[in-house]
Order: sequence, then C-alpha cells, then structure tokens
Amino acid sequence: GESVGLHLPTLSVQEGDNSIINCAYSNSASDYFIWYKQESGKGPQFIIDIRSNMDKRQGQRVTVLLNKTVKHLSLQIAATQPGDSAVYFCAENMSGGSGTSYGKLTFGQGTILTVHP
Amino acid sequence: DAMVIQNPRYQVTQFGKPVTLSCSQTLNHNVMYWYQQKSSQAPKLLFHYYDKDFNNEADTPDNFQSRRPNTSFCFLDIRSPGLGDAAMYLCATSRDMAADTQYFGPGTRLTVL
Repeated sequence: GESVGLHLPTLSVQEGDNSIINCAYSNSASDYFIWYKQESGKGPQFIIDIRSNMDKRQGQRVTVLLNKTVKHLSLQIAATQPGDSAVYFCAENMSGGSGTSYGKLTFGQGTILTVHP
Repeated sequence: DAMVIQNPRYQVTQFGKPVTLSCSQTLNHNVMYWYQQKSSQAPKLLFHYYDKDFNNEADTPDNFQSRRPNTSFCFLDIRSPGLGDAAMYLCATSRDMAADTQYFGPGTRLTVL
C-alpha cells in the first residue's frame, strides 16, 4: 500500500562513518527487495537489490541484509560520504501469485540520510 | 547515458489547463509506469502499461490519463489540473513485472498556479 509520512525518519552521520538504514516490510509473500536513493529534485536511483532466497548481498560500499523471519531489511553504507546524503527508500515486490499487488513495488516511507563533513 | 528520459523537467500550468508530460526509454523494456510523488512521501503508482495493456490503479483519479503509442514512449495527461496535483511525476520502466528492477527517470516537477 501507499506510505504516508510528513516526517521521515532521519539519520545523521559523520563523513567516514558507517550508516545503517532500516526498513520493515509489510508483505510476507514479497520475495524481491530493492533499495533506492533519491536526491533532492531527482528520481529514485537503484542502489542494490536482494531476492528472498538470500539473506545478504554486497555491492560497492553497500550491503543489504534481509531477515524474513521478522520482515526486516537493512542497508549498510560503508565509509559514508557527503554525496550519500539523500532519502533512501526500500521497496518490496512479489513475483508469485496473482491479484492486484502482483509485480508492483510497495515503497517504505523513506529515511533521510545526512552526512556531515 | 540516460535510459529513462522525462520532458520537461519542470512544468508550470494553470488551474484547469490540460498538461502532458512525456517519458521515453532506451531500454526496450516491456513495462512503463507513472508515479506521483509529493513532498516527503514515497512515490505513489498511478498506472502502468505492460506492452500495450493499460492497468489503472483503483484510486487514480479520472483526471489522469496515459498513452503509450509505442514501446519507447509513454505520456501522462492531466486533463484539468488542480492545486492538489502539484507534485513530482516519475516515470519508470522494467523489463518485466515479476520481481524485476524498476528504473526511474529524473522526474517532472509540476507546478499548478
């Protein structure tokens, strides 16, 4: 469903620190998850994805962890840089089954990451 | 190289004056989506095309229409924009729907005067 929130969670870190952004997803049938980064005035940019048959996936400076038991997803950013400052959205998708939710992304509410030099 | 292109990046229209936003893609993806995003909110899906098949979300107002004349292009038509329609409009594409990555364009910021 649609997420509504006028006050997004925020995370402030110092440059060089590691950042962890968390997301609770809603549908236990979801089997594909994506993290997007959205800078001010721009469209969401794909960062990393993970399928439900995995619990960890690593990219360049980013790691996504998936805990299906508690329906929790996290994004870890190593050595955070000022250019990482943005809103981060998790999104879930469901590949199987049918119905109106098939194949559609459901976005989390987003987290504002601010990196201080 | 831009893969999902939206034009214009900024659009100003008057209350009630029809407006069309465009999206094109170079990925040859089957699916094209239109989202509305308001400040401090997640993108909200308006509708999508799977090839030529149009799929409207149940809560998308009739004021919003879409056209997809070919694989590469998709248009969002707002027939009578209201002040509440001011938002960022995002186009996205995916190769398929099931468990597939959606790639977003840069968005069009719509202002309604």
